[in-house]
Amino acid sequence: DTGVSQNPRHKITKRGQNVTFRCDPISEHNRLYWYRQTLGQGPEFLTYFQNEAQLEKSRLLSDRFSAERPKGSFSTLEIQRTEQGDSAMYLCASSLQTGMTNIQYFGAGTRLSVL
Amino acid sequence: DAKTTQPPSMDCAEGRAANLPCNHSTISGNEYVYWYRQIHSQGPQYIIHGLKNNETNEMASLIITEDRKSSTLILPHATLRDTAVYYCIVRVGGGGGADGLTFGKGTHLIIQP
Repeated sequence: DTGVSQNPRHKITKRGQNVTFRCDPISEHNRLYWYRQTLGQGPEFLTYFQNEAQLEKSRLLSDRFSAERPKGSFSTLEIQRTEQGDSAMYLCASSLQTGMTNIQYFGAGTRLSVL
Repeated sequence: DAKTTQPPSMDCAEGRAANLPCNHSTISGNEYVYWYRQIHSQGPQYIIHGLKNNETNEMASLIITEDRKSSTLILPHATLRDTAVYYCIVRVGGGGGADGLTFGKGTHLIIQP
């Protein structure tokens, strides 16, 4: 068990470009989450998957954002036509829903800088 | 999910117990209290959670008041590596309702040598 893995760790892009991030969850975890964190703030929930189904999207997830989790394994988060306001840390977490509790395990994040 | 209130920052001497408070006066009967921490430039790390009984694990202890309106996370022997932002989160059990965690600004705990 190597934990949640995110790639790349850092991404610098120019405004207007598209970027894609990848998250590999802990194996056998059926839930996968994406969060965004800006400087000085706590993480903000974006979306989550149960297996391959995207079950919830935050209003923070604009039309320029799309997430996929094909085959219920790894997930990708794509941002189209990036804006400077998209600069943030993008965090992925995974969990195995058991009973009444759901402990989410986070990756180290991908830091996006839009110039 | 219920709203939580935490002090923005706290100091603690190395080797002493760090006691981090959290108020969640609007907590519902089916909401659990979770604690996570985030060390600089890392993702959040799960620490402990509980419903109404006190809980202890290898990292910390969680004390929940009888009325469940507040809780305290205790790090029994704080080390410099415990310097981090600590988040108290309440969340409905069983995966019901919104599934994402709602983080506030947390408490920045600074362990002094």
